[in-house]
Amino acid sequence: DSGVTQTPKHLITATGQRVTLRCSPRSGDLSVYWYQQSLDQGLQFLIQYYNGEERAKGNILERFSAQQFPDLHSELNLSSLELGDSALYFCASSPRGLYEQYFGPGTRLTVT
Amino acid sequence: EDQVTQSPEALRLQEGESSSLNCSYTVSGLRGLFWYRQDPGKGPEFLFTLYSAGEEKEKERLKATLTKKESFLHITAPKPEDSATYLCAVQFSGGGADGLTFGKGTHLIIQP
Repeated sequence: DSGVTQTPKHLITATGQRVTLRCSPRSGDLSVYWYQQSLDQGLQFLIQYYNGEERAKGNILERFSAQQFPDLHSELNLSSLELGDSALYFCASSPRGLYEQYFGPGTRLTVT
Repeated sequence: EDQVTQSPEALRLQEGESSSLNCSYTVSGLRGLFWYRQDPGKGPEFLFTLYSAGEEKEKERLKATLTKKESFLHITAPKPEDSATYLCAVQFSGGGADGLTFGKGTHLIIQP
């Protein structure tokens, strides 16, 4: 158990819909990262938050957004969903940027 | 473009048969190289961090090494429970992002 929690574990929704994924980092960790894992692309970095503020963006689509709240939990919002958005979405956390990242169990999103 | 390449893509070994997994990288300014283990449908599990060429880390049957161009994950006398996908990731300086760039992984199967 990494100490990072994610909800829900599974999510099935239809194209065009919007969903919210939730992540609670390890106690004391200020940085939260979101990653997408698909069969063809592998693990891809989406976005990073540090202590409530957006720090960096990776390969995140404009239809996706995220935020980190004062209690440091984070949410990833996915809108106008397409079939290609079906993937595993992982959250990771670290104390600061230059440390190993600990991953949560993931949310499996299926868009039908 | 910063890239991480892992080889082989898949490896099947007999129990007790030692081998090495390779991770080569082309990044402008390596800050850290990370090894993770991932079981099917689960989040990556942190194994090692390497920061500079010549550094080595060990944990049970695994040993990670780093040069200026590549890293190796040596597995000695593996057991069936070592079967998993092993992921290599790099963190590089540039753009202010702490997100990891992952390789596609090596799928390791240890047969009893």
